[in-house]
Amino acid sequence: DIQMTQSPSTLSASVGDRVTITCRASQNIRTWLAWYQQKPGKAPKLLIYKASSLESGVPSRFSGSGSGTEFTLTISSLQPDDFATYYCQQYHSFYTFGQGTQLESK
Amino acid sequence: EVQLVESGGGLVQPGGSLRLSCAASGFSFDDYAMHWVRQAPGKGLEWVSGINYDSYSTGYVDSVKGRFTISRDNAKKSLYLQMNSLRAEDTALYYCVKDVDSGGNSQFDHWGQGTLLTVSS
Repeated sequence: DIQMTQSPSTLSASVGDRVTITCRASQNIRTWLAWYQQKPGKAPKLLIYKASSLESGVPSRFSGSGSGTEFTLTISSLQPDDFATYYCQQYHSFYTFGQGTQLESK
Repeated sequence: EVQLVESGGGLVQPGGSLRLSCAASGFSFDDYAMHWVRQAPGKGLEWVSGINYDSYSTGYVDSVKGRFTISRDNAKKSLYLQMNSLRAEDTALYYCVKDVDSGGNSQFDHWGQGTLLTVSS
């Protein structure tokens, strides 16, 4: 089974900050990786797929990069609406989510 | 507009059974793989099961194999999850999720709002 490890688990940041979340896979998943945003009481929302492709309608301040076993999600300039929990997901072999990164206001 | 509406959750005793349903609308249901993803209270996301567009292929997370069965009725645009031998650790919000591909192994682009299953005596 493929394990996904996100870091950090919690991230404190301010509006306007550049934020980076890391996701590591336990084996090579090429670029079969997605990122989701989840707000309290809401369903997750797809942000990035195939490691770096931006889902339609998602603001361009979100970007993804990486391949193989190491991936990053970057928010170039944090907005108030971005405070949420972020999950990575591999879909190379079945599906596994990371444990989540809670992005909170500093 | 894509809509996924789950139903069937509730309180069940350990060892009991329940069937979850998901009614889909706003897209060509029989063209896409579908999944169930769960989230225990205060915890992260866990993929539970998936089924391809024509029901030929299904998959399960190890912890539910032999207990849960996923199915779909394309004529009714509905997805189901039959859950037997329920355990306390199955307690979670269960989301119905649409894949972007017919065969699966792709990202999930639409999620329902979830239906809550509580397993407790």
